[in-house]
Order: sequence, then C-alpha cells, then structure tokens
Amino acid sequence: AQSVTQLGSHVSVSEGALVLLRCNYSSSVPPYLFWYVQYPNQGLQLLLKYTSAATLVKGINGFEAEFKKSETSFHLTKPSAHMSDAAEYFCAVNHAGGTSYGKLTFGQGTILTVHP
Amino acid sequence: DTGVSQDPRHKITKRGQNVTFRCDPISEHNRLYWYRQTLGQGPEFLTYFQNEAQLEKSRLLSDRFSAERPKGSFSTLEIQRTEQGDSAMYLCASSLEGTTSTDTQYFGPGTRLTVL
Repeated sequence: AQSVTQLGSHVSVSEGALVLLRCNYSSSVPPYLFWYVQYPNQGLQLLLKYTSAATLVKGINGFEAEFKKSETSFHLTKPSAHMSDAAEYFCAVNHAGGTSYGKLTFGQGTILTVHP
Repeated sequence: DTGVSQDPRHKITKRGQNVTFRCDPISEHNRLYWYRQTLGQGPEFLTYFQNEAQLEKSRLLSDRFSAERPKGSFSTLEIQRTEQGDSAMYLCASSLEGTTSTDTQYFGPGTRLTVL
C-alpha cells in the first residue's frame, strides 16, 4: 500500500521568507508524486509532479520539489513567500498498475500562512 | 479547455434525503475520479471510471452511494438516505489516459454537502 505523510499541519512564514513544506511517502513500487494547492472553496490545482525523470522538479508560481529516494521525501520549497501563496497544500502519490491505475492517495494537508 | 465543472457547488439537505451531484470532465478526458474531502483532511478516493466503465470503488463507498457515467462523458454521484457523516466536499477529477500513470488529474471546484 502507498501512503503519504505531511509533517506539520500548519506552517507560518513571513513574506519574502523561505517556504518549506514537508512530505514523506511510503511505496512498494517507484512512486509518482504530486503537489497540489487548494485555495478556500476551490478545487485542487497541480503545482508540480515527479515522474521519475529529473529529481528536482520545478512547478508553477516559483515552487519546486526534490525527490530523495534515500529519505523517501518530496519536500516542497519556494525561496521567497508571497502573500498570494497562503493556501492549503497537499502532497499525493499515484497508484500505478492493475485497476488502481491513476488513483491518488493524499496527505492530510499543510495550511500555509504568510504574514506581511 | 473549460475545465472540470461540478453542480451544484453547495447542497444542504436533511438526514434521510437523497442527493445527486453532477460532474462534467474536460471534454477529451476518458478517465474520471470521485474523491471525498472532510474538514482538515486530504481528499480520499471514492471511485474511478475509464470511459463508461466503473473500474474501481473504494470501501468508503457504501451501498448508499452509487456513481454512473452513462455515455463516458459526464458523471453523477448519488447518495441515498443521507447521514450526517456524509457531510463533506465531493471532488471530481478527470484525466487523459497516457502511457504511464503520470497523466495529470484536473480537479473541479467541488460540491459541498451539508446534512442536517
């Protein structure tokens, strides 16, 4: 079975500071990993995805994530936080193979607050 | 590309009533997923369609839940005899089948159900 753990349900940073959101995964097969962002009362928007190519993945809005197999991690970072980054962020792992093809398993989410 | 749409956006119902939600995926997408998201949690997989075939159902999908995708386009999710525990955001996502499991899921805005 595959699972995702997001460390820290709430993260608070100052505008302009580094953003670091942590995600660890558990998977019996090589995973495909995703970060989604959710703004209040909206659906999920894809930020970036890891597909076994480059381990450093760049996404939209200046976010990036690094896949580290030895640490089973896929942490999301952004060098300089902006007020508009305030939202909830979800890490997800993809189930591949058989009839579970494409199903996503999500972490519990991390709410990012950005202070002026 | 008009995105994934869901209707209604909000539904308030009394316990014991039946409700039906609709999802219109991105037009060329052959895969459609339903997820449920409760407060403070990440989305949880409910069911998956490839074209009109329902290929997988989660154990979360009790006998009171039924989903259809009759012509391989829009989908409906019906909940019979609603219970207060059914209160949640119901999310629909669609994707275009690729050669790997990296096809991106695009999410709709969700239907928020409140059962009184």
